[in-house]
Amino acid sequence: QKEVEQNSGPLSVPEGAIASLNCTYSDRGSQSFFWYRQYSGKSPELIMSIYSNGDKEDGRFTAQLNKASQYVSLLIRDSQPSDSATYLCAPSFSGGYNKLIFGAGTRLAVHP
Amino acid sequence: DGGITQSPKYLFRKEGQNVTLSCEQNLNHDAMYWYRQDPGQGLRLIYYSQIVNDFQKGDIAEGYSVSREKKESFPLTVTSAQKNPTAFYLCASSNLAGGSGQPQHFGDGTRLSIL
Repeated sequence: QKEVEQNSGPLSVPEGAIASLNCTYSDRGSQSFFWYRQYSGKSPELIMSIYSNGDKEDGRFTAQLNKASQYVSLLIRDSQPSDSATYLCAPSFSGGYNKLIFGAGTRLAVHP
Repeated sequence: DGGITQSPKYLFRKEGQNVTLSCEQNLNHDAMYWYRQDPGQGLRLIYYSQIVNDFQKGDIAEGYSVSREKKESFPLTVTSAQKNPTAFYLCASSNLAGGSGQPQHFGDGTRLSIL
């Protein structure tokens, strides 16, 4: 079992729709969870952080965390073509050193 | 502006050659990291450092070496022992204040290819 599982995609959604990206993780001690956006050929960019169960909203982005189910998700409302990118889920490593465990990412394609 | 600077952007290595990738940050972050990314894959941790003059191996350290002589700098050397070095190399840093689980911030990356 992979430490962080994400559907590789591509996830194709029409412009204006809600994109739902999912992530499951195996490290039960993970306390911090991050979503990064990576455009093709570029480096990852932090877009959301979430630390407690429930929802956290930031603009068009909502992160959802359920530690009991070891599940974290990212919703993108009113998807735009500029949202087309790969989204990486990164829970923190419970063994310290401020390490993150990165998933392979989900490729999102928003079509006009 | 604060940030992480990686250089060069593109690098070509000849057979049997060692090459060094530069990473400098002016964010006053304590921790620095090196990752490797292959096409269509996630990030794999090569080395990380939480403090000057100390660093730890990550998941794929073989064929790589690092140094941390200054807080701002964490260069990565890809040695000739790394037989498949072609990849996108990413340097990251994070603040350790506030405990573990802080986000990491990335430089623009170095793309390494074999000649």
